[in-house]
Amino acid sequence: QKEVEQDPGPLSVPEGAIVSLNCTYSNSAFQYFMWYRQYSRKGPELLMYTYSSGNKEDGRFTAQVDKSSKYISLFIRDSQPSDSATYLCALMAGGGADGLTFGKGTHLIIQP
Amino acid sequence: KAGVTQTPRYLIKTRGQQVTLSCSPISGHRSVSWYQQTPGQGLQFLFEYFSETQRNKGNFPGRFSGRQFSNSRSEMNVSTLELGDSALYLCASSWGRGVGNEKLFFGSGTQLSVL
Repeated sequence: QKEVEQDPGPLSVPEGAIVSLNCTYSNSAFQYFMWYRQYSRKGPELLMYTYSSGNKEDGRFTAQVDKSSKYISLFIRDSQPSDSATYLCALMAGGGADGLTFGKGTHLIIQP
Repeated sequence: KAGVTQTPRYLIKTRGQQVTLSCSPISGHRSVSWYQQTPGQGLQFLFEYFSETQRNKGNFPGRFSGRQFSNSRSEMNVSTLELGDSALYLCASSWGRGVGNEKLFFGSGTQLSVL
């Protein structure tokens, strides 16, 4: 069983729709949860950063962490064509000894 | 503020050769991490350097090595290249280590092709 599972997609939705992206994980030591966005031929950029369980909102983006279910989500409201990219979840245990563990990413396409 | 700079952007090498990749972190950042990204395996942690010392290492063979200089710039080296080493190599910098310092800022990567 992989440590972090993420559906690779592609996920195609019309402009303006609410997008839900998810990851599941198996290692209960993970305490830090992040979402990165990666455009083609670019490095990932940090979108959301959450410590432990709960919700965090930043503009059109909301990150949710449910540690009891080992499930994390990223919601995008009022999706725009510029949101088309690959979204990667990244998790880290306390202390960061093993660096970040990334999901393989979900390729998102927002249709105009 | 300049971002993380990686050079070169593209490299083509043949099997058996060695390669050195360079990374300049964001000014003031002291930690540099390296990741390998492939379509099959996704992003995988190679190693992390802080204050010129390797702090953590991922599950990669000894052909992969790195170093960090006193100005926080970092290089990684891959010796005896194999076809499977073809990948995008990403460098990421962060301010430091420990709680609150986990936010990584990535460069655009070096795309290595091994023929």
